[in-house]
Amino acid sequence: QQQVKQSPQSLIVQKGGISIINCAYENTAFDYFPWYQQFPGKGPALLIAIRPDVSEKKEGRFTISFNKSAKQFSLHIMDSQPGDSATYFCAASSWDGGSQGNLIFGKGTKLSVKP
Amino acid sequence: DSGVTQTPKHLITATGQRVTLRCSPRSGDLSVYWYQQSLDQGLQFLIQYYNGEERAKGNILERFSAQQFPDLHSELNLSSLELGDSALYFCASSAGSDPGNQPQHFGDGTRLSIL
Repeated sequence: QQQVKQSPQSLIVQKGGISIINCAYENTAFDYFPWYQQFPGKGPALLIAIRPDVSEKKEGRFTISFNKSAKQFSLHIMDSQPGDSATYFCAASSWDGGSQGNLIFGKGTKLSVKP
Repeated sequence: DSGVTQTPKHLITATGQRVTLRCSPRSGDLSVYWYQQSLDQGLQFLIQYYNGEERAKGNILERFSAQQFPDLHSELNLSSLELGDSALYFCASSAGSDPGNQPQHFGDGTRLSIL
C-alpha cells in the first residue's frame, strides 16, 4: 500500500531524444509527488513536484504527467542531454499511515544519455 | 551545493561496533531527515526531527537512534552494527515541519562500510 513502483530500472537515450520514467502507486491518499535527481557521489536534489489537482507540470525541459485515475505519474525529459545522465527517483507522500507525510521513494532509474 | 553538511564522508568499521554520523542542516532550516540508501532497498526514510523534537519515524531499527541539538545539527547513532547496515546514509533538511509541502535539501551522504 505504501510502495511506489518505478520503471524502468535503467534507460539509455540518444542526445536530443525524450526520456520517460514511470511510477505507479496504490495509496490514494498520496498528495505530493516529487522527482529527485541524483548524480554519482552526490545526494538527491529536487527536480520538480506535482500535486494531484493538476494533470501536468512543466519546468524547462522537464515535465511531470499525472494520471489520478490510473494512479500513475511520469517524468518526461525533452531534448535529453548527456548532462542529464543521472539516477532519477520518484516519490510520494501522504498524511495517513505511519510516515506522517514523509517521502516514500521509488527504487530509481539510471538514465544514460549518449552523445 | 545544497548547504547541508555531512561528516564523515566515509566510515569503515567492524560488526558489533557503534558509530555516529553528523549532519549540519542548511542555514535557517528547522527540520532534519535521515535516510538510508542501499542497492536492494533503495532510499528509505528513517527519522525526522523538527526544531529539536522527534516528529516522525520511518523504517528505523531499534539499534539506531538520532537526536537534534539546540544548534539544529543532528547526529545518527548506529550501534551493534551488522554487515547489512552497510549503506549510504543521507541527511536532508527543510525549512518547515511538513515534508510533503516543501523541498528537502540533501547532503552528499556518509558511506558506511561494515567489515
